[in-house]
Amino acid sequence: AQTVTQSQPEMSVQEAETVTLSCTYDTSENNYYLFWYKQPPSRQMILVIRQEAYKQQNATENRFSVNFQKAAKSFSLKISDSQLGDTAMYFCAFMTPYNTDKLIFGTGTRLQVFP
Amino acid sequence: GAGVSQSPSNKVTEKGKDVELRCDPISGHTALYWYRQSLGQGLEFLIYFQGNSAPDKSGLPSDRFSAERTGGSVSTLTIQRTQQEDSAVYLCASSFLGQNTEAFFGQGTRLTVV
Repeated sequence: AQTVTQSQPEMSVQEAETVTLSCTYDTSENNYYLFWYKQPPSRQMILVIRQEAYKQQNATENRFSVNFQKAAKSFSLKISDSQLGDTAMYFCAFMTPYNTDKLIFGTGTRLQVFP
Repeated sequence: GAGVSQSPSNKVTEKGKDVELRCDPISGHTALYWYRQSLGQGLEFLIYFQGNSAPDKSGLPSDRFSAERTGGSVSTLTIQRTQQEDSAVYLCASSFLGQNTEAFFGQGTRLTVV
């Protein structure tokens, strides 16, 4: 069975600084997708970034980038130039497409950005 | 609609009553998920529908919980004889497995059992 682990329940960072959120996962599959979702207080889940396992290049989306280490089964999220609006819960998630596996989430990391 | 729609957005019910939560996925999305999120916690998987395949019900916490998806579109999550521990936000998501595997979420239904 696939599992996703986020070992940091809470993190804080000062505005304009950089923070890295950790995520590890366990799977025997070779083809899969990894995601980071953001959940602000409004509770709307928003996709931040996505990584396909077959791609070696790390995904980036503006201030958000990932460090994908397939052999280590690690998928960390780096937020550069942190902004107050980045304050939210961040969830790492895993999916294997083309079969009946579900989208599996980690327990989340609460990020607080301080002025 | 443009996104996943859930109704009601908030529901207060008395212990022992039955409730139905509705999810309208994005048109054309073949996969639909239900998750439960207790206060300040992560997302607990409940059930997953994919096309015409049998649903994955492995996350349903008890036989008081059931869900159906009619015509491959709208889904209803039913909780019978509600208990106070059922209080949570129930999130629905849909996706189209294939080229685009992003799951789009609704804003959830906050259920409070009093």
